[in-house]
Amino acid sequence: DAGVIQSPRHEVTEMGQEVTLRCKPISGHDYLFWYRQTMMRGLELLIYFNNNVPIDDSGMPEDRFSAKMPNASFSTLKIQPSEPRDSAVYFCASSQLDRGSYEQYFGPGTRLTVT
Amino acid sequence: GDSVTQMEGPVTLSEEAFLTINCTYTATGYPSLFWYVQYPGEGLQLLLKATKADDKGSNKGFEATYRKETTSFHLEKGSVQVSDSAVYFCALKESTLTFGKGTMLLVSP
Repeated sequence: DAGVIQSPRHEVTEMGQEVTLRCKPISGHDYLFWYRQTMMRGLELLIYFNNNVPIDDSGMPEDRFSAKMPNASFSTLKIQPSEPRDSAVYFCASSQLDRGSYEQYFGPGTRLTVT
Repeated sequence: GDSVTQMEGPVTLSEEAFLTINCTYTATGYPSLFWYVQYPGEGLQLLLKATKADDKGSNKGFEATYRKETTSFHLEKGSVQVSDSAVYFCALKESTLTFGKGTMLLVSP
């Protein structure tokens, strides 16, 4: 398997623009997670899906952020409008529930810079 | 709620030195515990895990033992290499994964 695929790897945009980050989870995984990583706040869980259904979006910072998972092989994280404080590395991860514990597989991340 | 506390970095060592990165946790139940590693420019990947008290997880020369009495899961390696330079994250899972803030390890030749 190719692992979790994220695109783009780098995104530079101006404040106020819409940004869409994309993720393809590992085939057969039924959980998908979006994280944000910054130096100040570390790794934060934004939202996660189970079988394409959003389960917990309490980590989404504000209404400017939205995430969708239209099918088992694709998810998007959208920021509209973007702000400089949104600059971070955004990771997508997927997992398959296993008895006892489970491993999350992370994508390479999208480095977002908002100027 | 659940939380994970790791020692602050960076931890700077010479090659072949002994490594310890401390991790303690707070949880209401009996979580599974993990160490993830992030190499420069990459996403996190699982290094080792332990699912119950007194379990020892091990991988690539790294070890950690689930200590319920001290709520700890310290990461150790007997002889580090330059290629071990990375950021190490301790994590616990009850409902979802809760990560510590990460500890950067820098190993010099």
